[in-house]
Amino acid sequence: SQQGEEDPQALSIQEGENATMNCSYKTSINNLQWYRQNSGRGLVHLILIRSNEREKHSGRLRVTLDTSKKSSSLLITASRAADTASYFCATDQAGNNRKLIWGLGTSLAVNP
Amino acid sequence: DAMVIQNPRYQVTQFGKPVTLSCSQTLNHNVMYWYQQKSSQAPKLLFHYYDKDFNNEADTPDNFQSRRPNTSFCFLDIRSPGLGDAAMYLCATSRVAGQGLPSLFFGPGTRLTVL
Repeated sequence: SQQGEEDPQALSIQEGENATMNCSYKTSINNLQWYRQNSGRGLVHLILIRSNEREKHSGRLRVTLDTSKKSSSLLITASRAADTASYFCATDQAGNNRKLIWGLGTSLAVNP
Repeated sequence: DAMVIQNPRYQVTQFGKPVTLSCSQTLNHNVMYWYQQKSSQAPKLLFHYYDKDFNNEADTPDNFQSRRPNTSFCFLDIRSPGLGDAAMYLCATSRVAGQGLPSLFFGPGTRLTVL
């Protein structure tokens, strides 16, 4: 089942620009995870942020979490053509161990 | 390198002809998942194994079954594939211990075509 909603559904930017994707969810969570999926490939884990954390960085990626608004954002700075992919958020619901609830994804196109 | 391997990468079958997809992992993770993903959609969980404990999602068709003969291997059997079963099938693993679900490691997927 899907509980996450992501916006925008699709995003097209130029190389060097920043890309921001948002994810909203409905119930209390243990953590929220972001994944990337290149066309026709498996998903790759990017960042996990716990419910007691507000911000996390990994290289050019910055993730924020606002549990009061039940939302998260993924910022990719100085984007590159290689960042072209679909990005999914997934939540680990409190009390529902062992499976993630997935958002619908944002398709990012970075134009050279 | 530790990884999740799926075979075959591409599978073509005929309508109604049984097919088996395989997944193996060298990560020694205790949980293995099978997801179905159709074009431009989010992955949809079919079932997962927590060690040997099998957990089926309520909306997974009876047509889909799974086996996990040991920690390293997991199989997805589609007994009578229909045209609607054409999709990417993703295997993923995780090491779950206590509260909270850590990140998942995904295989490259098997693209199933049903003729």
